[in-house]
Amino acid sequence: NAGVTQTPKFRVLKTGQSMTLLCAQDMNHEYMYWYRQDPGMGLRLIHYSVGEGTTAKGEVPDGYNVSRLKKQNFLLGLESAAPSQTSVYFCASRLTGAYNEQFFGPGTRLTVL
Amino acid sequence: AQTVTQSQPEMSVQEAETVTLSCTYDTSESNYYLFWYKQPPSRQMILVIRQEAYKQQNATENRFSVNFQKAAKSFSLKISDSQLGDTAMYFCAFLLRDAGNMLTFGGGTRLMVKP
Repeated sequence: NAGVTQTPKFRVLKTGQSMTLLCAQDMNHEYMYWYRQDPGMGLRLIHYSVGEGTTAKGEVPDGYNVSRLKKQNFLLGLESAAPSQTSVYFCASRLTGAYNEQFFGPGTRLTVL
Repeated sequence: AQTVTQSQPEMSVQEAETVTLSCTYDTSESNYYLFWYKQPPSRQMILVIRQEAYKQQNATENRFSVNFQKAAKSFSLKISDSQLGDTAMYFCAFLLRDAGNMLTFGGGTRLMVKP
């Protein structure tokens, strides 16, 4: 199993550009998450999904949209990138059951100029 | 809302010695989970250890153990026989049992293991 993979690993955008980050998991997990990590801080939840076709807002959802059209994929979109969105983005997934471990992807480093 | 505080931004320890990382949290709930995650320079987030709040016994995973003090809302991580590979950022995280969708992370502690 590849686990949780993220595409791309690095990206540089100009202010106002749009892009989509792709997260894929091959563990048949129901729950998927998008976090951002800023320097000197822990991860903060952007959006999450409890199953195919469902999404919900996390702690810092503004400026982002998500979609979960297939169970194994969770997409994070930036419609009009801003420098404040420069961060490292992590995707995670887990099985149903609050105690179950969240498995994290390797992260995507995004720079918005 | 829950908050997690890690008061030690950086720590260092000699190889083979023991180090303890501190974590405190604030919640009015009684059913929750606590986690320690390790983030090495590779950026990969790795689960180190977890604790269920209703269990009084402290969790242990090989060289890693926790001191869970529910009344004091404290959840410290002890690393015994420190190894060079333990060098990493360590994050404490909190998860409500009945709202198991949002991990709340502390700001992290950077641990350096010195040879």
